[in-house]
This record gives sequence, C-alpha cells and structure tokens, in this order.
Amino acid sequence: GAGVSQSPRYKVTKRGQDVALRCDPISGHVSLYWYRQALGQGPEFLTYFNYEAQQDKSGLPNDRFSAERPEGSISTLTIQRTEQRDSAMYRCASSLWDRYNEQFFGPGTRLTVL
Amino acid sequence: GQQVMQIPQYQHVQEGEDFTTYCNSSTTLSNIQWYKQRPGGHPVFLIQLVKSGEVKKQKRLTFQFGEAKKNSSLHITATQTTDVGTYFCAGGVFSSNTNAGKSTFGDGTTLTVKP
Repeated sequence: GAGVSQSPRYKVTKRGQDVALRCDPISGHVSLYWYRQALGQGPEFLTYFNYEAQQDKSGLPNDRFSAERPEGSISTLTIQRTEQRDSAMYRCASSLWDRYNEQFFGPGTRLTVL
Repeated sequence: GQQVMQIPQYQHVQEGEDFTTYCNSSTTLSNIQWYKQRPGGHPVFLIQLVKSGEVKKQKRLTFQFGEAKKNSSLHITATQTTDVGTYFCAGGVFSSNTNAGKSTFGDGTTLTVKP
C-alpha cells in the first residue's frame, strides 16, 4: 500500500517568502507528526495531531511556524517569512495512534532558504 | 525538557565485528523505539520496548530496555555491510494528565562497516 507522501520533495525559496509543506499520511492513521532533521542529527519534534486536533505544538520554534490538519488526513506545515536558519529537511510521520505505535516516515521535504 | 543522548556518535567496524549503541534519557520513559536510517533515506522502525528490563532479539540484533526505563541499548552481532546506517533511539513519554505524548529522538549512532 501507499506510504507517507510529502510534497514538494525539494523547495528553494528566498528569505522572507512563505512556504507550505504538505504531508499525506497513511490512510487510517490517526496520528501525524512533523519533525525537522538537520544533517547529522536526529528528527527534532515540531508538532503532532490526533485526527484534526493539534495535541502538542511545543516544538514549533516560533510563531512563524504553524501547522494544520483540518479534515484529519492531509496536513500542511507553513513557515512564514522564511529565514536562512529554517533551511533543513522537514519530515512527516504517521502512526495508527500516538502511543506505542511505530511511526512511518515520509521521504521529507528539503527546504533551502536563500 | 526531555533529553535523549546517544553514544557513540560514530562507530567504524570491520565486517564480522560486533557493534553496540547506547541511549540515555534524562527522564523515565513510557517506551523506547529504535529506528534505522540508511544514507539518503528516511528513518525506518525496527522495534519497540515497553517493559522495564525488556530484551528483544531480531536475528543478529538485540535490544534492551533498562530497569529504570531511562536507558536502552542496541547490539549487533557479527556486523554485515547491510547494517550500515544511522541508528536512532526515540524515547516516548505519555502524560495521563494531558492525554498527549510524543517521542524524543536521539542524534543517532552512524555505523560504517569495512568489508
């Protein structure tokens, strides 16, 4: 079956522009997570949803970052007024539920801010 | 906040040698998961440990969860070139108060294997 998909796979933008990153989880998965992964480091938690409810957004770095999952399926991570320090791999993962279930990761979106 | 540390950061071994990576959490965990990420790939789930002192095996891989549920280890016996990659632990903490939980990933141990 289809895994987690993310789009775009690569995004190059200029500083100050807004970007929207999309995640399409595995069908039927309740929980959806957003991570940021720098080279040589582990995935850094940003936020997660159960259905359409945002359960924890404690990892969002500042108020330029926001996420939504309005219908409990596809999610969008939006970064406003991008800065060079936002350049990273952004990964989405989904799981059946948020506890004691493996996370299935998507291929990621490589964001480069010039 | 919760911190998860992994050591070593890198490990280079000769094919056939054993490999161990260690994971330590600053807080007591509800569970721990291990993931493997191949170069250029994404993390792929290997296993989950939930019980204090739990030991699980997958062929040449042995996973342990500490008695205090604050540390874990992954041991690979007789490494093969297919074992190359970065191994991450992810410590889960779930709150009955907030009914929410999340996993914190360590920074991984990158294993290279010389044929």
